[in-house]
Amino acid sequence: KNEVEQSPQNLTAQEGEFITINCSYSVGISALHWLQQHPGGGIVSLFMLSSGKKKHGRLIATINIQEKHSSLHITASHPRDSAVYICADYEKLTFGTGTRLTIIP
Amino acid sequence: NAGVTQTPKFQVLKTGQSMTLQCAQDMNHNSMYWYRQDPGMGLRLIYYSASEGTTDKGEVPNGYNVSRLNKREFSLRLESAAPSQTSVYFCASSEESYNEQFFGPGTRLTVL
Repeated sequence: KNEVEQSPQNLTAQEGEFITINCSYSVGISALHWLQQHPGGGIVSLFMLSSGKKKHGRLIATINIQEKHSSLHITASHPRDSAVYICADYEKLTFGTGTRLTIIP
Repeated sequence: NAGVTQTPKFQVLKTGQSMTLQCAQDMNHNSMYWYRQDPGMGLRLIYYSASEGTTDKGEVPNGYNVSRLNKREFSLRLESAAPSQTSVYFCASSEESYNEQFFGPGTRLTVL
């Protein structure tokens, strides 16, 4: 089993701030996934990462395979970014406990 | 395309009652999954089906059974519900194992 840990568990920030959410895992993987869970409960995929960096709009995800660590960044954060962000290892079907992000206008 | 659908959305059961949670996907995916989500625990795998005709236990299978009825449908049954099974249940599917997963809207189950 892969131990997947996220930090912080909760994060509150002002609109416009740069946000960083961290994910570390214990067993080497070929790809890591980032998910977003909306306040209503729906879960959607954001990124699949096997190396380097990916960018989608204001979201950037990076991964360091050697250090077993990934980060999710949000630039110019907005209240609509408020959600729970989850990292996941789909090979071993294990998930982090999630980071609850709240952006205050 | 509806994606992944789950029924019901909400359910309240008494201890000892049984029920089946239904899940269907219209994306022609091979793999399907059942998770439960509890506060502070993250998503935990109950059962999965890598392909039609196969099912395997996940991290927390006790108290549950599954049926992969056909390629589209994967049901989760609670034979004798217990308060510890109060949770939000998510079904998901992926084209193949290890691929991106698509999640259903979830079923909020309360066992009294």
